[in-house]
Amino acid sequence: GAGVSQTPSNKVTEKGKYVELRCDPISGHTALYWYRQSLGQGPEFLIYFQGTGAADDSGLPNDRFFAVRPEGSVSTLKIQRTERGDSAVYLCASSPTSGTEAFFGQGTRLTVV
Amino acid sequence: GESVGLHLPTLSVQEGDNSIINCAYSNSASDYFIWYKQESGKGPQFIIDIRSNMDKRQGQRVTVLLNKTVKHLSLQIAATQPGDSAVYFCAEIPGGYQKVTFGTGTKLQVIP
Repeated sequence: GAGVSQTPSNKVTEKGKYVELRCDPISGHTALYWYRQSLGQGPEFLIYFQGTGAADDSGLPNDRFFAVRPEGSVSTLKIQRTERGDSAVYLCASSPTSGTEAFFGQGTRLTVV
Repeated sequence: GESVGLHLPTLSVQEGDNSIINCAYSNSASDYFIWYKQESGKGPQFIIDIRSNMDKRQGQRVTVLLNKTVKHLSLQIAATQPGDSAVYFCAEIPGGYQKVTFGTGTKLQVIP
């Protein structure tokens, strides 16, 4: 596609439920990033993939959060036992190679009620 | 819709004037810097970048200045337009490492 695509654009879930957020990066981009953005804050790094492997997952807040990129393209961010504090916009970005500008998707707005 | 700039410092500028947005970065090992623009309800959009071996870079209506001595970045927007209204973030990337760290952000309001 022309840009980074994230689905769904909005997700409302009940506390304790499991959610999956999908990111389709720009075709051919090897680097993929997940960020979380709370109201009035800058994006907060969660995890970075280079190809299929997670090169840095130091930003994942706890073991309820997990992300995969099995074929080096689409990535899924998975959140188990969601909590109200997980409510935020989850942003995905990709870049052609490491060390170059990252292109962001529009984000998935997650609301945990 | 959700306002990404709800709690951020705000810069108000008259349409047609020049805008200067400042950012202090934290990591002296960072060697690549990017300015992003984020409009409400959208993801950050690349504006301009600069590497640490430069102190100035110009784009269309935008200029980024880098002062490594005091770890300071600035974004200058010439002839500010209503479409420039958004939240602006600086981002830093350490050498040899790809984790992008965003600054706090500044909300730019253009007064027609």
